[in-house]
Amino acid sequence: GENVEQHPSTLSVQEGDSAVIKCTYSDSASNYFPWYKQELGKRPQLIIDIRSNVGEKKDQRIAVTLNKTAKHFSLHITETQPEDSAVYFCAAASGNTPLVFGKGTRLSVIA
Amino acid sequence: DAGITQSPRYKITETGRQVTLMCHQTWSHSYMFWYRQDLGHGLRLIYYSAAADITDKGEVPDGYVVSRSKTENFPLTLESATRSQTSVYFCASSRTSEYEQYFGPGTRLTVT
Repeated sequence: GENVEQHPSTLSVQEGDSAVIKCTYSDSASNYFPWYKQELGKRPQLIIDIRSNVGEKKDQRIAVTLNKTAKHFSLHITETQPEDSAVYFCAAASGNTPLVFGKGTRLSVIA
Repeated sequence: DAGITQSPRYKITETGRQVTLMCHQTWSHSYMFWYRQDLGHGLRLIYYSAAADITDKGEVPDGYVVSRSKTENFPLTLESATRSQTSVYFCASSRTSEYEQYFGPGTRLTVT
């Protein structure tokens, strides 16, 4: 089955700097790659997703890139702000199989 | 987000007791999921359902039972609770397996 590895597990950045979180997946049939943000004590919420027919997608300060050949995808957050502090999860899915999540990255933005 | 609810939000029970966590969604989503979240393990899938009367095991199904007689409800039962089942449980729903999952607010379960 699918296996998703996520790195780093923790990340600290200065406010205004960029943050990059990377994930690799094992199943070449996977074609849907969402990213979720979970603030402390809250539920996970989708922040951006990408499908295998697209290499990059942007939404304001957030972007995701996908390299299907290498089987990895990354989340990029630019101009980080304190409210970006949270745990971020990547995931992958294919066909009728459910999402497989990475173990998460705890991002701390230091003011 | 108000379209998916979980109850109770907090539960303390004793080892060996049966506990049922409820999940209800109002979107008529086909897929529903149960996850547990423990520090260091991220979100681990317990069971999921692609439609009413169809359920499948996830990564950590042992000790849990699910049913889905109606599209909108997906209860999770711990038949005989153990301390290792102390966790935060999230229910989620989605239109398909390759679409955004909407998570409920979670249930914090403590087994003493």
